[in-house]
Amino acid sequence: SAVISQKPSRDICQRGTSLTIQCQVDSQVTMMFWYRQQPGQSLTLIATANQGSEATYESGFVIDKFPISRPNLTFSTLTVSNMSPEDSSIYLCSSRLATDTQYFGPGTRLTVL
Amino acid sequence: GENVEQHPSTLSVQEGDSAVIKCTYSDSASNYFPWYKQELGKGPQLIIDIRSNVGEKKDQRIAVTLNKTAKHFSLHITETQPEDSAVYFCAAKGDTGRRALTFGSGTRLQVQP
Repeated sequence: SAVISQKPSRDICQRGTSLTIQCQVDSQVTMMFWYRQQPGQSLTLIATANQGSEATYESGFVIDKFPISRPNLTFSTLTVSNMSPEDSSIYLCSSRLATDTQYFGPGTRLTVL
Repeated sequence: GENVEQHPSTLSVQEGDSAVIKCTYSDSASNYFPWYKQELGKGPQLIIDIRSNVGEKKDQRIAVTLNKTAKHFSLHITETQPEDSAVYFCAAKGDTGRRALTFGSGTRLQVQP
């Protein structure tokens, strides 16, 4: 299995500012992902974090708004840039093992005022 | 791309009864189907998964069945307990190059003591 930690666990931010979320996995995983979960909704994939190269973004998500880094196999960051109240959500880091098994972190609860 | 539909959206059962949640998927090439349990304020927790070469899998009170022909899979929880109350998500992983999970819309299970 994989244990995933995220920092911060929650934050309240002012519109127009940016927040960087950190994700650390306790083992070397094949893939890392970032998801968004709006209140009462399902999980939506933002992007796949690729080690040492640009992330692969899903339709509706762009690098300028959600820059992602993955400098090594076990660490990734997601930045939510120029935030607006519509960005208020839970942001989840996820990692996949070679067996396809995918685990999730505890999430970062973001409120934008 | 893959589309996963999940029913019902809410389910209320009496403690000790069984609960069944059903999902259908669209991509016949999908080969991995996990189920997640999400408690309030926490990230999704993997509870059971099944691969396309298996028809059924059990883990204590939880079982998952897969019908590849009909492209649907189900989660069965027997002898439900109040601590089973949570939101449950099904997911599917396609085998067409897109390597992330596609999630269902979620089922809120309430077990009445």
